[in-house]
Amino acid sequence: DTGVSQDPRHKITKRGQNVTFRCDPISEHNRLYWYRQTLGQGPEFLTYFQNEAQLEKSRLLSDRFSAERPKGSFSTLEIQRTEQGDSAMYLCASKTAATNEKLFFGSGTQLSVL
Amino acid sequence: AQTVTQSQPEMSVQEAETVTLSCTYDTSESNYYLFWYKQPPSRQMILVIRQEAYKQQNATENRFSVNFQKAAKSFSLKISDSQLGDTAMYFCAFKGRDNFNKFYFGSGTKLNVKP
Repeated sequence: DTGVSQDPRHKITKRGQNVTFRCDPISEHNRLYWYRQTLGQGPEFLTYFQNEAQLEKSRLLSDRFSAERPKGSFSTLEIQRTEQGDSAMYLCASKTAATNEKLFFGSGTQLSVL
Repeated sequence: AQTVTQSQPEMSVQEAETVTLSCTYDTSESNYYLFWYKQPPSRQMILVIRQEAYKQQNATENRFSVNFQKAAKSFSLKISDSQLGDTAMYFCAFKGRDNFNKFYFGSGTKLNVKP
């Protein structure tokens, strides 16, 4: 069990640029979540995958955001035409039904949009 | 919609003392799970303790225990014999059994354990 890994740890970009984050869940976990966390707040749900299927998306996920999980393994979260309001920590978490609802989190990607 | 409220933005406790963090939630569901997650300065969130709503017995994990009051929709975390390593953000979280997708988190309580 190598844990959930996220890449990069930090990303600084200029407003209007596109960014892509990657999440590698624990290998046997078929459920994957993306959350966004701003300073002083708890994580907010963005989207959820079961295997390769994206089953739910939050209204927070505007059309500038897209997430994929090809082949039900790693996942990517892309933000197009970034805005300063996109600055946040983006957390990935994974689980399987056998873990009694226990979410395993990655260390997150801290995005700063200048 | 489910909401989770943590009304204590920051708390302090002396090492070896006991501290209680508060959490209330709002839901119309009867079956659900409640959690406390810890987020140390290193950022990776880890599960501290978990409670199933249909279980009346309060969950306990070593120095961590909860006081689950279903009727009051209250779920507090008690940390006994506080240690310096307990310094972290603590998030209360809710997940409905019927909605298998979403975990809802509170805004967190920053706990400082002082030597």
